[in-house]
Amino acid sequence: TQLLEQSPQFLSIQEGENLTVYCNSSSVFSSLQWYRQEPGEGPVLLVTVVTGGEVKKLKRLTFQFGDARKDSSLHITAAQPGDTGLYLCAGLLSNDYKLSFGAGTTVTVRA
Amino acid sequence: DAGVTQSPTHLIKTRGQHVTLRCSPISGHKSVSWYQQVLGQGPQFIFQYYEKEERGRGNFPDRFSARQFPNYSSELNVNALLLGDSALYLCASSFIQNTGELFFGEGSRLTVL
Repeated sequence: TQLLEQSPQFLSIQEGENLTVYCNSSSVFSSLQWYRQEPGEGPVLLVTVVTGGEVKKLKRLTFQFGDARKDSSLHITAAQPGDTGLYLCAGLLSNDYKLSFGAGTTVTVRA
Repeated sequence: DAGVTQSPTHLIKTRGQHVTLRCSPISGHKSVSWYQQVLGQGPQFIFQYYEKEERGRGNFPDRFSARQFPNYSSELNVNALLLGDSALYLCASSFIQNTGELFFGEGSRLTVL
């Protein structure tokens, strides 16, 4: 059983459209990260959220941490082909040493 | 500055063989973690080492072992390879342990035939 459930699994949109990826769990996390992974490469950290209700923006990407620190979302505005990739959410439980990953959402932005 | 480097990048083995994967962390990083990523899934935690000691182990069989050297580089060893061990093996480093902010290498793609 996956600690973090991501949806949707696949997302294909046209350039200029908006998209949202969801990451849900029944567990409370001390911090939650979003990573992006491109083919043949390792995941690259995009953002860390630690406070319930926190919203962070990274250019056209907006990340939100749920009030109860159990879920998160990633919203991309006016998607571009360069946003194509596998988006992974990951969470660290309190007093835990390992980072747990969701299965990922494959985003394809068509030109 | 050099990022996390892993070797080899690709390798092919047959069932029953043994494999050693190597990782050099970012300079100054004392924690190294290993993850297995099967196609279509997110990375699964295998080991974490900090200051040359094993600090955590995931749900993997004893065929998997690892160690960290005095220069903080690390090796992952897998014995008696099975077809199901085919995956991308990722090494990640961080300055401290128990953090979600990891720096990953490009991975070692292992194919078991």
